[in-house]
Amino acid sequence: KNQVEQSPQSLIILEGKNCTLQCNYTVSPFSNLRWYKQDTGRGPVSLTIMTFSENTKSNGRYTATLDADTKQSSLHITASQLSDSASYICVVTPNSGNTPLVFGKGTRLSVIA
Amino acid sequence: DAGVIQSPRHEVTEMGQEVTLRCKPISGHNSLFWYRQTMMRGLELLIYFNNNVPIDDSGMPEDRFSAKMPNASFSTLKIQPSEPRDSAVYFCASSLDGPLDTQYFGPGTRLTVL
Repeated sequence: KNQVEQSPQSLIILEGKNCTLQCNYTVSPFSNLRWYKQDTGRGPVSLTIMTFSENTKSNGRYTATLDADTKQSSLHITASQLSDSASYICVVTPNSGNTPLVFGKGTRLSVIA
Repeated sequence: DAGVIQSPRHEVTEMGQEVTLRCKPISGHNSLFWYRQTMMRGLELLIYFNNNVPIDDSGMPEDRFSAKMPNASFSTLKIQPSEPRDSAVYFCASSLDGPLDTQYFGPGTRLTVL
């Protein structure tokens, strides 16, 4: 069964610190893996997208990595800001026709001053 | 570009009532997706359309749920009759062409069924 597991479930860090969020998946084969940021009360917004052949992708202070051998991805946030407080959702697209996307349940990040 | 537009933003109704959620996708996008999000289950895909045709509705929980896309600029998700367990945030998203393209989400409709 295609699954995406994210850890930790929630995380609290001080402003200015770095953090890393984890995503483990069982989807195989897959077309791409995305990280979304979801602010409270809003819809998810795409941060990064990686195909199975890529192992890193950056978007400003966000850097996503992918290890297709171990089926793991991580999202690293550098020099966190209060505005980084949000849920971060890992999404894997199976490489099999119309099979829908597989979503993780997200990590809730709180950045405090 | 106004992005994906959803209405209403909040809906409170009583059990047994009919609920209709509305979505206007981004102009030029060929694919539209309906999602449900709860704390327990996260985001779940309910149904998606490509060129106004339903492609995958395997996520629709039961016959009480139905979705239509009469044209490229409008879709509805209807729940009849509604039940308290339907309480969730319902998101609509659109993409240029299919689930492999980046999806742009609307602000969601928060549904509360009493």
